[in-house]
Amino acid sequence: ELKVEQNPLFLSMQEGKNYTIYCNYSTTSDRLYWYRQDPGKSLESLFVLLSNGAVKQEGRLMASLDTKARLSTLHITAAVHDLSATYFCAVDAAEGAQKLVFGQGTRLTINP
Amino acid sequence: KAGVTQTPRYLIKTRGQQVTLSCSPISGHRSVSWYQQTPGQGLQFLFEYFSETQRNKGNFPGRFSGRQFSNSRSEMNVSTLELGDSALYLCASSTTGGRSANVLTFGAGSRLTVL
Repeated sequence: ELKVEQNPLFLSMQEGKNYTIYCNYSTTSDRLYWYRQDPGKSLESLFVLLSNGAVKQEGRLMASLDTKARLSTLHITAAVHDLSATYFCAVDAAEGAQKLVFGQGTRLTINP
Repeated sequence: KAGVTQTPRYLIKTRGQQVTLSCSPISGHRSVSWYQQTPGQGLQFLFEYFSETQRNKGNFPGRFSGRQFSNSRSEMNVSTLELGDSALYLCASSTTGGRSANVLTFGAGSRLTVL
């Protein structure tokens, strides 16, 4: 059974600092997703990583994928308050299946 | 371009009742998936429909069911509600071809409270 684990689950940081969220998954997958969820809101797609070594960046967020290590990272650079949210990674349960298995989520709080 | 629309947004039911939630996907998206989100279990996959056929199903009891219509709109039904069914139910749609294939776009969700 595919398991997806994120750490840390809670992260409180100061504005201007850098930090990384880690996402490990238990079985082979070439496709990994990152989503953001604001309190009381739905999930917003951030990145889709499609192959080993994939790196994508949007503003202060950068995501990477190492399929050999079954690890993805979401790096936050010079954090700002607007990035406070819960971040989820997710993996396809099976190739071609429209079935995602999500990590537990990382609740990120950025303090001024 | 309209997003994924879910109705109702909020509802309160009592134990033993049933509920039907509706989801209209993004125009042109033929795959519709449903997820349950709770504080304890996180985000869990319920089922996925494509061209009116259920293609994938999660580990939920038979009280949870769904269907998809010819216009790709989908409904999910929960019968004999239990307190533990209180959750945010999220619908997502996706295309099945091109660069955006399989990237889920989520609706705002239907928040169900069971008393």
